[in-house]
Amino acid sequence: EPEVTQTPSHQVTQMGQEVILRCVPISNHLYFYWYRQILGQKVEFLVSFYNNEISEKSEIFDDQFSVERPDGSNFTLKIRSTKLEDSAMYFCASSEWATQETQYFGPGTRLLVL
Amino acid sequence: QKEVEQDPGPLSVPEGAIVSLNCTYSNSAFQYFMWYRQYSRKGPELLMYTYSSGNKEDGRFTAQVDKSSKYISLFIRDSQPSDSATYLCAMSESNNNDMRFGAGTRLTVKP
Repeated sequence: EPEVTQTPSHQVTQMGQEVILRCVPISNHLYFYWYRQILGQKVEFLVSFYNNEISEKSEIFDDQFSVERPDGSNFTLKIRSTKLEDSAMYFCASSEWATQETQYFGPGTRLLVL
Repeated sequence: QKEVEQDPGPLSVPEGAIVSLNCTYSNSAFQYFMWYRQYSRKGPELLMYTYSSGNKEDGRFTAQVDKSSKYISLFIRDSQPSDSATYLCAMSESNNNDMRFGAGTRLTVKP
């Protein structure tokens, strides 16, 4: 069964450093998403991406964050100048159509900012 | 009032029990309601997807939505140890915009 994959599974970084989280969506999917889940808190929507541009973003997704589809298979989330409060699990998701019903989530990347 | 409220549990039941999981919400514009299951170290997996009020059944799982009370439920019949996971409710105003998640309820089904 096709699945969304994410790398790395865990990342530790120093405050102020830049990190890039990588996702490989399901191959025929056209819509891509990032979510985050701070430990013990709710899953929160960050951004959705379609046709090489952001289609929707939350108030969390400020200038510190950016997304990119650098080639035909990867979808990345870049966090510039990480802060302690960026420590969280980051989930990538993809869908064939722009509906929640068809979204598949990856296993997540656990980011720890020290 | 928080937009979506869900009791985090933990909830522990014996194998074979009927499990009831619930969420309440404050935004009357929500029309799409989802239940996700999340195993440890995995991403959320969609279990049930419903639109507006009513019931939806899929095998041992039944989702109920009561928009008048702003209350949704997930029932699991004949619960199995493999059902042990965290269950997240989520909802949205349209079927293609961002979802609001509950905190998740951790369920353990004991053999």
